[in-house]
Amino acid sequence: AQTVTQSQPEMSVQEAETVTLSCTYDTSESDYYLFWYKQPPSRQMILVIRQEAYKQQNATENRFSVNFQKAAKSFSLKISDSQLGDAAMYFCAYIRSQGGSEKLVFGKGTKLTVNP
Amino acid sequence: DTAVSQTPKYLVTQMGNDKSIKCEQNLGHDTMYWYKQDSKKFLKIMFSYNNKELIINETVPNRFSPKSPDKAHLNLHINSLELGDSAVYFCASSRVDAAYGYTFGSGTRLTVV
Repeated sequence: AQTVTQSQPEMSVQEAETVTLSCTYDTSESDYYLFWYKQPPSRQMILVIRQEAYKQQNATENRFSVNFQKAAKSFSLKISDSQLGDAAMYFCAYIRSQGGSEKLVFGKGTKLTVNP
Repeated sequence: DTAVSQTPKYLVTQMGNDKSIKCEQNLGHDTMYWYKQDSKKFLKIMFSYNNKELIINETVPNRFSPKSPDKAHLNLHINSLELGDSAVYFCASSRVDAAYGYTFGSGTRLTVV
């Protein structure tokens, strides 16, 4: 079974600084998708960024970028110029790209605190 | 215009009661899901439906029964509620290939007293 591991239960960063959240996953598949979701105190699950495994180029969305290392099965999230609104739980997630019967598997999350 | 809406947002009920949570999506997605988030924030899938057909049924007690009247709706009915059922329940939807991830509802916090 696929597993997703986030080894940092909590992280903190100063406002305007950069922070990197770690994620590793276990799979024997070659074709899959990876995601980072943000869950602020409002509880809403918000998609931050996605990566297609067959693309070598790292995904970027404004201040959010990933470092995707397929061979190492690593998918870290970098948040640049951290803002107070970035404070949230961040979940790494994996899904095999077969469709239909597949399910999104989540890591246990990293709680990010942003200090003013 | 809410993409995935679930109601109610909060539900407080006594042990032994039966309750339902409703979910609707207006994204035209074919696949819908129920996830449970426990007190430690861990998200685990319970069920998935593709175009009204049950696809995934994880090891969930029989007291939980999903119902999908059409591909835009997926409701969750829970019988004989227990204290351990207290959690946040999320509905979500996606394209069949889930290439763009899931779109989640805002969650229902269920508290069983």
